[in-house]
Amino acid sequence: DTEVTQTPKHLVMGMTNKKSLKCEQHMGHRAMYWYKQKAKKPPELMFVYSYEKLSINESVPSRFSPECPNSSLLNLHLHALQPEDSALYLCASSQQHRLLGYTFGSGTRLTVV
Amino acid sequence: GENVEQHPSTLSVQEGDSAVIKCTYSDSASNYFPWYKQELGKRPQLIIDIRSNVGEKKDQRIAVTLNKTAKHFSLHITETQPEDSAVYFCAASINDMRFGAGTRLTVKP
Repeated sequence: DTEVTQTPKHLVMGMTNKKSLKCEQHMGHRAMYWYKQKAKKPPELMFVYSYEKLSINESVPSRFSPECPNSSLLNLHLHALQPEDSALYLCASSQQHRLLGYTFGSGTRLTVV
Repeated sequence: GENVEQHPSTLSVQEGDSAVIKCTYSDSASNYFPWYKQELGKRPQLIIDIRSNVGEKKDQRIAVTLNKTAKHFSLHITETQPEDSAVYFCAASINDMRFGAGTRLTVKP
């Protein structure tokens, strides 16, 4: 398995909702990442997990809460989002943090209404 | 932190012509430089990468060159085809991947 799988592919949520994005990989990668991509913009780093521990938080608002239950899974919990949080959320993994070869998932397209 | 600049923002070429996209980076400690292709509505896909100890790498119609002294690297696509049309992102990495702003390449048949 050489893929990063993200679910759901599309999500529409209200500003008072709580939802979660899921990411899974079975390549034995020990680093996993969340990126946010707005239309016509490059992906922006949000969080980095290395060996299931949060390594980097790029000053992301607390309404985004990451979780890494094990080495294969990465979640992003969403609560009280704003319409400007609507974007494509991409998960990626690599063999180790600070090593090359990111593999991206297909992303979750999130719309906040 | 690392800052990556990418030019041009849009590029239109005729099928069969070559396309060149250029990036500069700010942190001389960056040691890995990948290029990603992203088609509309799809994930970024790695097309080629180069490490800091190599000056050039080629894979069929795609090549990347790196000038560490000048802190710039370039993507070269030869014999372009319509299916090369996409947004291309360069990136530089020390600890984490930082992307350039992207180049929208259009290859006209």
